[in-house]
Amino acid sequence: QVQLQESGPGLVKPAETLSLACSVSAGSMSGHYWSWIRQPAGKGLEWIGRFFSSGSTNYNPSFKSRVTMSVDASKNQFLMSLRSVTAADTAVYYCARHSSPHTSFDYWGQGILVTVSS
Amino acid sequence: QSVLTQPPSVSGAPGQRVTISCTGNSSNIGAGYHVNWYQQLPGTAPKLLIYGDSSRPSGVPDRFSGSKSGSSASLAITGLQAEDEADYCCQSYDSSLSGSVFGSGTTVTVL
Repeated sequence: QVQLQESGPGLVKPAETLSLACSVSAGSMSGHYWSWIRQPAGKGLEWIGRFFSSGSTNYNPSFKSRVTMSVDASKNQFLMSLRSVTAADTAVYYCARHSSPHTSFDYWGQGILVTVSS
Repeated sequence: QSVLTQPPSVSGAPGQRVTISCTGNSSNIGAGYHVNWYQQLPGTAPKLLIYGDSSRPSGVPDRFSGSKSGSSASLAITGLQAEDEADYCCQSYDSSLSGSVFGSGTTVTVL
C-alpha cells in the first residue's frame, strides 16, 4: 500500500518561500504523476501542479511564476517550492499520486497546514 | 472560485437517496474527460470514491454511484447512512489548464 507523507514548516513569513516535501513509501515514484493540491480553510481543492517521474512538469497558470516542483530520487521525495507567499497562500497542502494527467488521484498524503504570517 | 460548480449542501433522511451535481464546460467535462468524486471527512484528506465517471474503487459500497451526461456529472448516494455525512467533491481534467480542476464541494447532511 503506497503511503504519502507531507513535511515542511507549518509557518512561513510573507514574501518568503514555502518549501514542502512529499515522502513516498511502499512504492516507486517512477511511472507515476505526482501533484500538489491545496485547500484553504472552508474552501475547495485547488490543483497547483504536477511532476512526472521523467522530470516533466505542468503548473497551474495561477501559480506558474511562483512554483517549482522537482524530485529527490535518493530520498523518494517529491518537492515543491512556492515563492513570494502571502496570507492567501495559507492552506492545507496535499500531495497526491495519479497514473496520468487525466486520471483520478488514487493516493493522498494526510496534508500539512501551512500558515503564512509574520 | 472553483471551475466545476456544485451545490453547497444537500440533505436527506437515513435510507433516502440524495444526488450531487457537478457542472463543467466544454474544456473539461463537456470535452469528454472523466469525472472523479472524492469524499472528505472533517480534518482528513480526500478519499477517492468514484473514478472514470462511474467506477468504484475496491472497498467503496455500491450505495455510491456516478454518472455523466454532456457537461455535467452526478453522484448518487442511496440508502443514506449517518456515516455518509461528509464533504463530496468532483474533479476532472481541463484542457485550457492542462491540469486538474475541482468542484467547490458539497456538504451532505443526514437529518
